[in-house]
Amino acid sequence: DAGVTQSPTHLIKTRGQQVTLRCSPKSGHDTVSWYQQALGQGPQFIFQYYEEEERQRGNFPDRFSGHQFPNYSSELNVNALLLGDSALYLCASSSLGGFDTQYFGPGTRLTVL
Amino acid sequence: QKEVEQDPGPLSVPEGAIVSLNCTYSNSAFQYFMWYRQYSRKGPELLMYTYSSGNKEDGRFTAQVDKSSKYISLFIRDSQPSDSATYLCAMNQGAQKLVFGQGTRLTINP
Repeated sequence: DAGVTQSPTHLIKTRGQQVTLRCSPKSGHDTVSWYQQALGQGPQFIFQYYEEEERQRGNFPDRFSGHQFPNYSSELNVNALLLGDSALYLCASSSLGGFDTQYFGPGTRLTVL
Repeated sequence: QKEVEQDPGPLSVPEGAIVSLNCTYSNSAFQYFMWYRQYSRKGPELLMYTYSSGNKEDGRFTAQVDKSSKYISLFIRDSQPSDSATYLCAMNQGAQKLVFGQGTRLTINP
């Protein structure tokens, strides 16, 4: 049983560019949450998707947007990249509409130069 | 003030020692409490999951939740070098977002 998968593993972009990160949830899971983890910090919640809609959003600007597809996979898009967007981006999936435990993927490490 | 406070360490102990990791929180609505282990440059791995107050044991790991004090702990018995990692506490209410502590970096010395 495959766990949560994310792609790509690493990404290098320059300021002002746009990036798309992808996540496939664990089999049987219907809810996807995205987190940003800066070096030496705990993950910070970006947003959560359930039934193809954004259900909750953390304190992130609207440069951060997302999408969930009918197969429950998800994308995170970041526009107009800033140096401060450099971080590990984590996807977590859960079942029961998010009431079950969240399981994390390996993350995508984004470096903005 | 952060919703969840966790001493970032680093914490270094000899192999075989008992390790105690702790978090405090301010939001009394939190009901679900988790401990994740994160190895360097990897995603967090769920270790323990507890609902409300009480203790939960899984092998060498014991999680404790004291909602009256807004304090949670993770104990590791007979610590091994492979336990060296960053330990993150996390908590939420129902299907809400997870709120994490900063993480404690732990090193077990052979």
